[in-house]
This record gives sequence, C-alpha cells and structure tokens, in this order.
Amino acid sequence: DTAVSQTPKYLVTQMGNDKSIKCEQNLGHDTMYWYKQDSKKFLKIMFSYNNKELIINETVPNRFSPKSPDKAHLNLHINSLELGDSAVYFCASSANTDTQYFGPGTRLTVL
Amino acid sequence: AQSVTQLDSHVSVSEGTPVLLRCNYSSSYSPSLFWYVQHPNKGLQLLLKYTSAATLVKGINGFEAEFKKSETSFHLTKPSAHMSDAAEYFCVVSDIYGANNLFFGTGTRLTVIP
Repeated sequence: DTAVSQTPKYLVTQMGNDKSIKCEQNLGHDTMYWYKQDSKKFLKIMFSYNNKELIINETVPNRFSPKSPDKAHLNLHINSLELGDSAVYFCASSANTDTQYFGPGTRLTVL
Repeated sequence: AQSVTQLDSHVSVSEGTPVLLRCNYSSSYSPSLFWYVQHPNKGLQLLLKYTSAATLVKGINGFEAEFKKSETSFHLTKPSAHMSDAAEYFCVVSDIYGANNLFFGTGTRLTVIP
C-alpha cells in the first residue's frame, strides 16, 4: 500500500506548455506539501496546504499553483513551462506538525 | 533562522566498516532534527528523528544519530556499512512550527565499496 503516490513518475514536455502532477496520500494526514529538488539534489519547499490554508514560498513563481480537490490530494499545476522548471518534484504529507512522508517524486524535463 | 550544514558532500566506505555522516545545525530554539535517505531514482525515506526526548536516536536499517546540543551536531552513524546503504542522505531541521517547515541540508552521497 503506497502511502504517498505521485503521477506521472516522468514527465517530458516542451517549453510553454501547461502540465499537472498529481499527488495522493492515504495516510489520513491533514497537511500536504510540494518540494522541488534541483540538479544538485537541493530540496526546497514550494507550498504547504492545510485545511484550505495555503502557505507559499515567496520564491515560487505564480506559474505554479497547487490545487486540492479533497483532503487526500494536492495536485501541482504549472503554466508556461520554462527550461529552469526541470527538476524532480516531491509531494509529502504529515499529520499536523508531525513527520513528513514523501512520495517517490516526479522527474520533469522541459525541452 | 534555522539551517543545517552537511560537512561532506561525498563519503566513501568499504563494506563492513563504520559509517559517519556529519551534520551541524543552527537554530534559535530546541529544534526537531531528522535524517532522510534517498536511494537512486527513489523518494525520500525517513531514517530517524529527534524531538527533544532521548539524545541518542535509533532509526531503521541499523542507523542511529546523537543530538549534541553543546556541539550543535546531529551526526548519523552505522557500525557496519552494507552495499544497500549506498544512497544520498539528508540532514533536516524543522522550525518553531514543527515538521511543517523543514530545512534540508545539501545532502551527503554515501558510496559503499565491496
């Protein structure tokens, strides 16, 4: 049973396209997150979402928008993709302020 | 402000020898500290966490870490390396709001030589 799942695992697309990455958790957690891991393996938080409250890292471009259809899902929408968006994106979830559990990641390549 | 420094970007050990991955943290209060492992092309897995209980924390796969406030360190150790331990290891500190806000170190790549 996968606790935090992401689809797709790999995503290759052209510059300027709009794409989405889906995330689902079956842990009953109330907080979900999106992280970006760059080519040097550095991880940086992009968003956290809890009970309809969205906290955004101020460095994230507004082309990125998280959407939560329900408590178990937090999807990441990216508009007008740029070359610099190429990275691995990780979804995570936690029960309130407890430990975060990460998904397997989505490798996005923008050509 | 919270931050972590992983002192080695790459550590190489022989199979069966001890592992030491170093981490120093900076925090203005008593932090929660974590070690996560990332195997090649895989997601992040929690190895262990410290949350102001016992200073010696035991994790999965034989790893443990000791919280030393006087040295602001949280080094990860394992008595005997196994080939399957080869991975990227991240030291992580949380802020005052708990694990909602995590600050990752730059990672240490562990290579295990047969």
